[in-house]
Amino acid sequence: SQTIHQWPATLVQPVGSPLSLECTVEGTSNPNLYWYRQAAGRGLQLLFYSVGIGQISSEVPQNLSASRPQDRQFILSSKKLLLSDSGFYLCAWSPGFTGANVLTFGAGSRLTVL
Amino acid sequence: AQSVAQPEDQVNVAEGNPLTVKCTYSVSGNPYLFWYVQYPNRGLQFLLKYITGDNLVKGSYGFEAEFNKSQTSFHLKKPSALVSDSALYFCAVRDITDSWGKFQFGAGTQVVVTP
Repeated sequence: SQTIHQWPATLVQPVGSPLSLECTVEGTSNPNLYWYRQAAGRGLQLLFYSVGIGQISSEVPQNLSASRPQDRQFILSSKKLLLSDSGFYLCAWSPGFTGANVLTFGAGSRLTVL
Repeated sequence: AQSVAQPEDQVNVAEGNPLTVKCTYSVSGNPYLFWYVQYPNRGLQFLLKYITGDNLVKGSYGFEAEFNKSQTSFHLKKPSALVSDSALYFCAVRDITDSWGKFQFGAGTQVVVTP
């Protein structure tokens, strides 16, 4: 069966510090991978998605970047965090972009920027 | 472009009463529709989906949803709510012609079930 791991679960960082959130998927190959941000416990904002190694699409211009160094690894990064980067970050995967494939989420990473 | 509207920020219901969470959508083509649930500080969990066929879809934990093409709606329902159903519920849509498979989520509806 497939599983998705996301870490760290909780992170408190000062303004201006770097960020690295990691997500890995097991039990599948060539998944579509996504990073979402959820602010104030409500709506989801799609940040990045990837359909293959090195292929990253950004949905919203911002202080963040994403990379996919391996097929099942998706990393969210920042060189210098802003207060507005605080939020709940969710990684997700789907088997592919054809068909009614379900999006499966990780447990999330809560980032607090002070 | 695709969009999803969940018109209610919060739904309050007494335990044992029927629960309905509303969702309307807009897509340029035909939709794939989904419902997810989120408990505090957790990721979203899949409840059910509509692809094609029968308009009434049954999912996990006794939930069901009815697809109405003319009203572009996909309301989530449960005949008898439980206190443990208290959570944040998200409706999502994918346009079947979208080759990138991007999901558009609604803003979420907080469900509060009181004993």
